[in-house]
Amino acid sequence: SSELTQDPAVSVALGQTVRITCQGDRLRTYYASWYQQKPGQAPVLVMYGENNRPSGIPDRFSGSTSGNTASLTITGAQAEDEADYYCYSRDSSGDHYIFGTGTKVTVL
Amino acid sequence: QVQLRESGPGLVEPSETLSLTCTVSRGSINGYYWNWIRQPPGKGLEWIAYIYYSGSTNYNPSLKSRGAISIDTSENHFSLKLTSVTAADTAVYYCARGSFDSSGYYLDYWGQGTPVTVSS
Repeated sequence: SSELTQDPAVSVALGQTVRITCQGDRLRTYYASWYQQKPGQAPVLVMYGENNRPSGIPDRFSGSTSGNTASLTITGAQAEDEADYYCYSRDSSGDHYIFGTGTKVTVL
Repeated sequence: QVQLRESGPGLVEPSETLSLTCTVSRGSINGYYWNWIRQPPGKGLEWIAYIYYSGSTNYNPSLKSRGAISIDTSENHFSLKLTSVTAADTAVYYCARGSFDSSGYYLDYWGQGTPVTVSS
């Protein structure tokens, strides 16, 4: 079983808010980062640290962590946000890295 | 901005060794972690390994010692060798730059990926 668990799929109405979660024991200690991947494309970093967006990422993306759960929130989802999203952080040993299982976001 | 480009054989026979190279341009290889990630068809991302510019390494334990990552700072590239490949190693292989600071560890620049098929 994966050590960073995400819901397989979520859907959101255009312009509404969706939260994508990532659960893992090591998230109590280490930050997660988040990646957006559209079909046929390489992943793109969209969030890292406590709540940091790389240059060029819209401010409708925000991040947070509570206990063993990291969250990526899209406030006012747009059609172009439809993609797979992966979290990434340390594995349960704390010595290596692992991606979450991934969440497919559909914008209705 | 930093650019990464993977190169590799495309097709590898079972039990052979897969060799991939990632060339880094428009930026220095120094001070960062250099990663390999793969994605089997229709599946999620799997972190394979990283090498720090100084040469220290970290591997995904699931590779069971089949992987070897190396770096050439003078040529601004790093490489991955994966031995005894099977069909399960068929994937798109990505290279990515890892940054480590007060915000933790994250992969801020990625290559476009190179597909590798293991088949006879």
